[in-house]
Amino acid sequence: ETGVTQTPRHLVMGMTNKKSLKCEQHLGHNAMYWYKQSAKKPLELMFVYSLEERVENNSVPSRFSPECPNSSHLFLHLHTLQPEDSALYLCASSQEWSLAGGSTDTQYFGPGTRLTVL
Amino acid sequence: QKEVEQNSGPLSVPEGAIASLNCTYSDRGSQSFFWYRQYSGKSPELIMSIYSNGDKEDGRFTAQLNKASQYVSLLIRDSQPSDSATYLCAVKGHNTDKLIFGTGTRLQVFP
Repeated sequence: ETGVTQTPRHLVMGMTNKKSLKCEQHLGHNAMYWYKQSAKKPLELMFVYSLEERVENNSVPSRFSPECPNSSHLFLHLHTLQPEDSALYLCASSQEWSLAGGSTDTQYFGPGTRLTVL
Repeated sequence: QKEVEQNSGPLSVPEGAIASLNCTYSDRGSQSFFWYRQYSGKSPELIMSIYSNGDKEDGRFTAQLNKASQYVSLLIRDSQPSDSATYLCAVKGHNTDKLIFGTGTRLQVFP
């Protein structure tokens, strides 16, 4: 497999369920990201991991819990979600993440998980 | 004011025409600019990146950046029906590698 992969591609869950989204990158990158894409809204950055350390948390509710066990894998654990959390969840990776900014690194996206919360 | 603004469209152009997509941003210190294409039901894929003022050409695509006016544009020459998609403008803010996305412009190329 090449690039960034995500599983599952589609997920339907009830508000009391617990599920996890998985992302794997095969690019040798050091930074990984979770984004949320809702209809009519811009892509929203949720979390950033650099070298397995969380470096950005964009005021995301605690019902979303990320985990990065190594630089190639990223998980998003879901529990007690709300219907308004239904969206496309995208994982991305880049070579590095700089706190100072200004790098020219490109982010590459996975195919996404279409989540529906009933 | 939104951090990155795009006209949502749809922008309809005939096959073979030039499609012009525009984006403005609010952070004057932004350094890196990206255009992504997103087909319906798919993930964004990088089309172009641009970092300095002027034009950057890649095949049928030309990105234009004007930091003084805080806008970046994407021109698609000889538009094809397969170019029909939503085009997302993304900007890296000042002193951060965080990408800020616009809502995207939907392009329709009709035969």
